[in-house]
Amino acid sequence: EVQLVESGGGLAQPGGSLRLSCAASGFTFGTYWMHWVRQAPGKGLVWVSHINTIGSTTTYAESVKGRFTISRDNAKNTMFLQMNSLRPDDTAVYYCARETRFGFDPWGPGTLVTVSS
Amino acid sequence: DIQMTQSPSSLSASLGDRVTITCRASQSIGNYLNWYQHRPGKAPKLLVFTASSLQSGVPSRFSGRGSGTDFTLTIASLQPEDFATYYCQQSHTAPPTFGQGTKVEI
Repeated sequence: EVQLVESGGGLAQPGGSLRLSCAASGFTFGTYWMHWVRQAPGKGLVWVSHINTIGSTTTYAESVKGRFTISRDNAKNTMFLQMNSLRPDDTAVYYCARETRFGFDPWGPGTLVTVSS
Repeated sequence: DIQMTQSPSSLSASLGDRVTITCRASQSIGNYLNWYQHRPGKAPKLLVFTASSLQSGVPSRFSGRGSGTDFTLTIASLQPEDFATYYCQQSHTAPPTFGQGTKVEI
């Protein structure tokens, strides 16, 4: 079964850091572009970042550029999101998703990040 | 960035109703339009890709239409498991962008 599972969420103080992980199984992880998408409380889905198959190309939403870093370890079938200088408006459920030519499929169940003092 | 606008933002419907959700892109995106279903506490699920192609395993009561800037998602006969929020997403131009969502509730 193709599956993605996020972890690493939790409570962080403003200005703090968290590192999210996305563990993949059931498919050849290293052949797919991967993405992070977030949903703030009561809001819609917002794209955060993407990484290509070998990690040589990454892109970010303007709101996180310079603070978040996406990476991947294909040998461990895992993608990461290093989040620094966290702000209260980074509070959200963070989802990882696989990009296929048919869209984002599948998505993980998400991990909650709360930024508060 | 390409802006995606859905309407309505929410709607109330009953079991068996026919429901249509509209999505408009700020510029032409051809048929690079996907629809997702998102139930609370669950992972978003791909329903329709390239505007009108049904993802494997998705019930045939779901259908998508449109091209260019105007798209629709229709649920032919609403079932209990269809009460959720639906999002359109363009994959024509990076970055990928989503509509604000349409919540379908009783």
